[in-house]
Amino acid sequence: QVQLQQSGPGLVKPSQTLSLTCTVSGGSFSSPVHYWNWIRQHPTKGLEWIGYIYHSGSTYYNPSLKSRVTISLDTSKNQFSLNLYFVTAADTAVYYCARDGYNDFFDSWGQGTQVIVSS
Amino acid sequence: EVVLTQSPATLSLSSGERATLSCRASQSVNTFLGWYQQKPGQPPRLLIYDTSNRATGVPARFSGSGSGTDFTLTISSLEPEDFAVYYCQQRNYWPRTFGQGTKVEIK
Repeated sequence: QVQLQQSGPGLVKPSQTLSLTCTVSGGSFSSPVHYWNWIRQHPTKGLEWIGYIYHSGSTYYNPSLKSRVTISLDTSKNQFSLNLYFVTAADTAVYYCARDGYNDFFDSWGQGTQVIVSS
Repeated sequence: EVVLTQSPATLSLSSGERATLSCRASQSVNTFLGWYQQKPGQPPRLLIYDTSNRATGVPARFSGSGSGTDFTLTISSLEPEDFAVYYCQQRNYWPRTFGQGTKVEIK
């Protein structure tokens, strides 16, 4: 059974870079079936899909964040990572990594990381 | 992007009652709509995919219906563990989008 474990800081200063990593265990990381996603949840704005990376390294980002986001892959460690640049208080949210499953919905999630943007 | 509007925002019901949750899309998403359940401090859990298919391990009291722009999640008889927030999500278009959620609370 796949498990996603998130790591990264919970406090980021304004204008700096938010960096989170998701480690996948359970054997499906290199499968061509799955996409690996980042999703965030604002206290008042609900769930927002940030982007995905495929096992080949190809990516697709939400146009609303595209200019500030990079998602990368380290297949040797079964990890994928999120970098969100030039953060502001509006980026304060719970960030989740999630797998796009066989049914093309998010069927496995990380535990979530509360990230606060504050000086 | 596709906007998903859920109603009602809050549903106050008792255990054993039937819950009917609605999700309306700003444009047709065919049948490519799913539902998630979220409890406090937990990530969302996939319940239903492609309108009416239950995800692995989801009890039969959860069912989904609809097509195009109007979708419904029905919980036939609420169990205590069903009181939570429910979100719909479409996969017909990029970017993937979610509704704002319906909270099912104990009356």
